[in-house]
Amino acid sequence: QQQVKQSPQSLIVQKGGIPIINCAYENTAFDYFPWYQQFPGKGPALLIAIRPDVSEKKEGRFTISFNKSAKQFSLHIMDSQPGDSATYFCAACHITQGGSEKLVFGKGTKLTVNP
Amino acid sequence: SAVISQKPSRDICQRGTSLTIQCQVDSQVTMMFWYRQQPGQSLTLIATANQGSEATYESGFVIDKFPISRPNLTFSTLTVSNMSPEDSSIYLCSVKKAPYEQYFGPGTRLTVT
Repeated sequence: QQQVKQSPQSLIVQKGGIPIINCAYENTAFDYFPWYQQFPGKGPALLIAIRPDVSEKKEGRFTISFNKSAKQFSLHIMDSQPGDSATYFCAACHITQGGSEKLVFGKGTKLTVNP
Repeated sequence: SAVISQKPSRDICQRGTSLTIQCQVDSQVTMMFWYRQQPGQSLTLIATANQGSEATYESGFVIDKFPISRPNLTFSTLTVSNMSPEDSSIYLCSVKKAPYEQYFGPGTRLTVT
C-alpha cells in the first residue's frame, strides 16, 4: 500500500520555468516531509524538509508548500536550470516512540529542464 | 550534512552467493539505515541498523536474507545472502545527522546473474 503518492511521473520545462511536483499522503502520523534530488548513478541528496506545522519553506530556489488539511505538499523550483534535471522524490517520515524514524518515499518525478 | 562512503560501488554476482556492503560515515551517528532502490524505482527501507543490538527489519525483509552489523557509531554492513536475480538493485545506506535531516550514501549497484 503506497502511503505517499507523487505526480507527475515526468515533467519537461524550459529554462527559467517553475516546475511543480505534487505529493499526497494518507497517514496523519508523519512528522516531517523531505524532498530529495537524485542524479543518475548517485545517491539521493536532501534538498529541503518541512514540518507539518509550517505552511511554506524556502531554501534558495526550492520552495515547499504544505497543506495539512488536504494532506498534500509540493515542491516548486524557481528559475529552473538545465542542471536541475534529475529525479525528485518526496518522502514522509514517521518518528517512532523509540526515536528511530522511517522514510516512506513517493515514486519519483523525472524532471528535464531544456536550455 | 554527512560524508558517507559505500563499498563496493557496484558488483556483479552469481546466483546463490552472498555480498557484504560496507557503509562508512565521517562522524558518529546514532541512526543508520539501509534502503533498496530497484532499477528506475523508488526507495524502500530494509532495516534500521542499531549499534549494540539487532537491526530492526521492515515488513518483507528478514535477518536471514539481509543480515546487518553495526559494530560502532560510524560503520555498518549489509549482507545480501543467497542472491537471486530479483535481488538486483541499488542498496543505499543513510544516516540521521540532525532532526529532519537524513542523508544517503552513493549506493551500491548490485547485479545478480
